[in-house]
Parts: sequence; structure tokens; C-alpha cells
Amino acid sequence: ETGVTQTPRHLVMGMTNKKSLKCEQHLGHNAMYWYKQSAKKPLELMFVYSLEERVENNSVPSRFSPECPNSSHLFLHLHTLQPEDSALYLCASSQVLGPPYSNQPQHFGDGTRLSIL
Amino acid sequence: QKEVEQDPGPLSVPEGAIVSLNCTYSNSAFQYFMWYRQYSRKGPELLMYTYSSGNKEDGRFTAQVDKSSKYISLFIRDSQPSDSATYLCAMKGTSYGKLTFGQGTILTVHP
Repeated sequence: ETGVTQTPRHLVMGMTNKKSLKCEQHLGHNAMYWYKQSAKKPLELMFVYSLEERVENNSVPSRFSPECPNSSHLFLHLHTLQPEDSALYLCASSQVLGPPYSNQPQHFGDGTRLSIL
Repeated sequence: QKEVEQDPGPLSVPEGAIVSLNCTYSNSAFQYFMWYRQYSRKGPELLMYTYSSGNKEDGRFTAQVDKSSKYISLFIRDSQPSDSATYLCAMKGTSYGKLTFGQGTILTVHP
């Protein structure tokens, strides 16, 4: 049990499908993140929700759309994905303290393995 | 040039060996350094968290930071087969900053 639960664990979808990834954290944290992990590449930060703000990596395509309805739940909506989007998608959470603001270490879920046909 | 360089390995060692894992970085603003362990089909798990230079020890694990050389290390003493995993280094410049990860080193400890 990591305290961060991601569903589904595996997802296979066609390029024209729409699906959503879900993340729930039980750690009482107030910041949540989406990362993409591809083979032989460093983790790539996609989106952050922290201090009621959304921060995004400008290189993330618009076919990925995050939603954070509250501090415990995070979604990643997917539509019209490409084969290069096949990867492990990791959710993480952390506790932001302050002001002055400091961020405790991030805790990760076990990811959703996404395969695009 | 990547901000964080980490040899992907794979690294294979016999049980009981001392393992040394390393990362180099180019951004002198990095002050917070982490090591994560990631087992197959699992998410990264925080192992060590250090601030600025120096050593930190936790059981069989020692994290070392040399800011003058922009070099960090993780040592594993008396390595066990259960230590077989991918080890990721990560760092940031401020406590509230974005984490930058290395590529990860695949470690196998064989009995």
C-alpha cells in the first residue's frame, strides 16, 4: 500500500478512444502531480495541482487534460492519443507547507500502463 | 546536455557486494537531492532525502552529495537480492521547486 492509488493499472486503447485515468491519495496531502515515464527516459512532469493552482509543462499536448476536483482526487482525461503516448503514467502527491512555502518529498502510486494501438 | 546524467546500467553484482550508484548534474542551483527505488511494475519509492552537501546514512544505505563536483552517490552495503530494482536520482533547486529526475540505473543483485 503506497497511500496513492491509481486505476486502472493497465489500459489498452485505440487512437480514437476517450478514456480517463484516476488517482486517489489517502495521505492528507495538498498537492498532486501527473508524470509520464517512458522507457530509457527520465520521468517527465506533466501537470501539478498545488496551492489551488494548476501548473503545466508546456510541452504536453492538448490531448491530455487533467482534472483535480479536490485535494484527494486527480484525473487525466485522454483523447485522440498517438502511439508515442504509450507509457507508464504515474500520479504523485506531496504536502506543501507554509508560507514560506516548502514542499515535502513526493509519494508515488504504482502507475497506469497505457498502450495505444 | 541533460540537466541530470545517470548511467542506466544495467549493473549486476553478487549478494553482499557494496553498490555505488551515481548521478552528475549541471545546474548549480540544485540543493535538494533524493534517491528513489522503483521495483518492476511499481511506482518510485523514496529512499533518501538530503539537503546541500554531506552524507546521510539510513541502515544499509548512504547518500553522499558533493556540490563542488555536482555529483551525488548512493551506496548500498551488504546488498541483497531484494535490492534489485531501478534507482532514480532526483533533485531540485528550492524546496518548492520542480523535481528533475535522472534516467535511472537498473540494478540486479544475484544470489
